[in-house]
Amino acid sequence: EVQLVESGGGLVKPGESLRLSCAASGFTFSNAWMSWVRQAPGKGLEWVGRIKRKTDGGATDYSAPVKGRFTISRDDSKNTLYLQMNSLKIEDTAVYYCATWDLVKPLDYWGQGTLVTVSS
Amino acid sequence: QSVLTQPPSASGTPGQRVTISCSGSSSNIGNNYVYWYQQLPGTAPKLLIYRINQRPSGVPDRFSGSKSGTSASLAISGLRSEDEADYYCSAWDDSLSGVVFGGGTKLTVL
Repeated sequence: EVQLVESGGGLVKPGESLRLSCAASGFTFSNAWMSWVRQAPGKGLEWVGRIKRKTDGGATDYSAPVKGRFTISRDDSKNTLYLQMNSLKIEDTAVYYCATWDLVKPLDYWGQGTLVTVSS
Repeated sequence: QSVLTQPPSASGTPGQRVTISCSGSSSNIGNNYVYWYQQLPGTAPKLLIYRINQRPSGVPDRFSGSKSGTSASLAISGLRSEDEADYYCSAWDDSLSGVVFGGGTKLTVL
C-alpha cells in the first residue's frame, strides 16, 4: 500500500526558512517522480513543483510564486522527498501535500499534508 | 484567480446527474490531458479522472469526464450523499511549464 507521510510543518516568521519532509513507502521511491501541492486555508489547490527520478536526470520544475525560494530534493536511500522553503512569505501559509507523479496519472497518491503558517 | 475556471458551487438531489465545467485555454486544456480530483471534507485530494475520461481502479463508473476544445466537464450520475465534496480540474500548462488547477467546485447533495 502506498503511503506518504509529510512532516516538518509549523509556525515561522516572514523571511524565515523551513524544510518539509515526505516519507514514502509501498512503492519503489527511486523510480518515482514526485510533486508538492499546497492549499491555503479555505482555498483551492496550487501546484508547487515536481522532481523527476534520477534516471530521468532528477530535474525539478517550480511554479512561478515559489521559483527561486523553494527547492525540491530527494534522498532515494531514505525514500524521502524534501521541500526546502526559504524567504517565506505570509502568502505561503498553507497545507503542503506531497504526491506521486505518474506520467499517466499525475498526482495519483497524496499524503495527509502538513500545515505551514507564516506569521509575525 | 485560477488559470482554469470552474463554477464555485453545484448542487443536486440524490439520484440526479450533475455536471461541473472547467474552462481553460489552448496552452492547457486545449493541448493537454485533463484531470479531476475529489476532496472530501478534511481529507487530502484523490485522483478521480485522468487523461480526460479514465477512472483509476475503485472509482465508480458514475463519474465520467469529457473534453471539447478548451473546456472540460465532470459528470456525476446517480448522485449520492457521499459525493458531497470539492472537485478540482487540472491540466499541464505549456506556457507556464507547470500544473494549473481550477478554483474548485463545492458540490452539495440536497
